[in-house]
Amino acid sequence: KQEVTQIPAALSVPEGENLVLNCSFTDSAIYNLQWFRQDPGKGLTSLLLIQSSQREQTSGRLNASLDKSSGRSTLYIAASQPGDSATYLCAVKEDDKIIFGKGTRLHILP
Amino acid sequence: DAGVTQSPTHLIKTRGQQVTLRCSPKSGHDTVSWYQQALGQGPQFIFQYYEEEERQRGNFPDRFSGHQFPNYSSELNVNALLLGDSALYLCASSLSETQYFGPGTRLLVL
Repeated sequence: KQEVTQIPAALSVPEGENLVLNCSFTDSAIYNLQWFRQDPGKGLTSLLLIQSSQREQTSGRLNASLDKSSGRSTLYIAASQPGDSATYLCAVKEDDKIIFGKGTRLHILP
Repeated sequence: DAGVTQSPTHLIKTRGQQVTLRCSPKSGHDTVSWYQQALGQGPQFIFQYYEEEERQRGNFPDRFSGHQFPNYSSELNVNALLLGDSALYLCASSLSETQYFGPGTRLLVL
């Protein structure tokens, strides 16, 4: 049974710092991995999607990597801003299901 | 394009009642998935509809049922509500790889 784990559960960093969020999954037979952002009480916004054959994806200040063989992904956020404060969720797709981690609550201190 | 819309935004019910949540997918999307997100947890997959049929189902009891209409909109029905059904219910639509999420319906069961 696929399990997705995100570490740390919460993180506070000063504005301007670079940071890394971690995600691990137990079964490497995935179609893709996706990083989402969720603001309090809101729906999910897709940030980056990495296909199983890819190693990384970049969008602006965000870079996500995927090491399928070791079951790991990282989300790198450069030059963090207070507006980056949110919960970041990692999710893997297998068959037609998406399986989520519990998320990392990120707080950027002004 | 209005994106994925869900109604109602908030709902309060009592134990034992029944509830129906609604989802309109993004224009052109033919697949709708439903997720339950308890407080502090990642979303959990309930089921997915394609061509008006349930295609995949997560580990949820038969009290949870759904329907997809010819215009691809979908309903989630929950019977005999329990306190533990209190959660944010998210709908996501897709045409291919990427799922687009709606803002969710927050259900409180008293």
